[in-house]
Amino acid sequence: DAGVIQSPRHEVTEMGQEVTLRCKPISGHDYLFWYRQTMMRGLELLIYFNNNVPIDDSGMPEDRFSAKMPNASFSTLKIQPSEPRDSAVYFCASSSGRVPNTQYFGPGTRLTVL
Amino acid sequence: AQSVAQPEDQVNVAEGNPLTVKCTYSVSGNPYLFWYVQYPNRGLQFLLKYITGDNLVKGSYGFEAEFNKSQTSFHLKKPSALVSDSALYFCAVRDGVYNTDKLIFGTGTRLQVFP
Repeated sequence: DAGVIQSPRHEVTEMGQEVTLRCKPISGHDYLFWYRQTMMRGLELLIYFNNNVPIDDSGMPEDRFSAKMPNASFSTLKIQPSEPRDSAVYFCASSSGRVPNTQYFGPGTRLTVL
Repeated sequence: AQSVAQPEDQVNVAEGNPLTVKCTYSVSGNPYLFWYVQYPNRGLQFLLKYITGDNLVKGSYGFEAEFNKSQTSFHLKKPSALVSDSALYFCAVRDGVYNTDKLIFGTGTRLQVFP
């Protein structure tokens, strides 16, 4: 299996622009998670889906952030408009929904908002 | 409330010496516990897990972890550290309140192994 795939790996954009991050989970996994990692705040769970349905979005920082999962093999995290404080590494992870419920992480997208 | 604590921001150890990275947890019900490692500019990588059974769990790269129910701890250990073990280590516990795959992560411990 190719593992969790994220694109792009690096994104540099200017403040106010729309940013879309993409994730392809491991085939057969029922759960998909979006995390953000910064030096200041560490690793934060933003939102997660079960069977394509958002279950908990309490970690989404504000309305500028939105996430979708139109099918079992694709999810997007969108920031509109982007701000410099959104600069971070964004990780996607997936898990099978079966014990031991291990999450497998993608390589991350490093976002820089100028 | 479910929580995980990693009391040390950084652990320094000389190559060849044993290492321990500490983790304590607080959960309702039986804990599912995990250790992940993050190398620079990489995603988190699964190391090992405890679900049930033997309290000593063996994982990747020679790492092991000891589950101690009375002390609510799940410390990561390795008998002989390598410089290549230098990385950021996260302890995590499955959120047992709801029947989901959500994990609660600790704040991470940076391990530095010196030659």
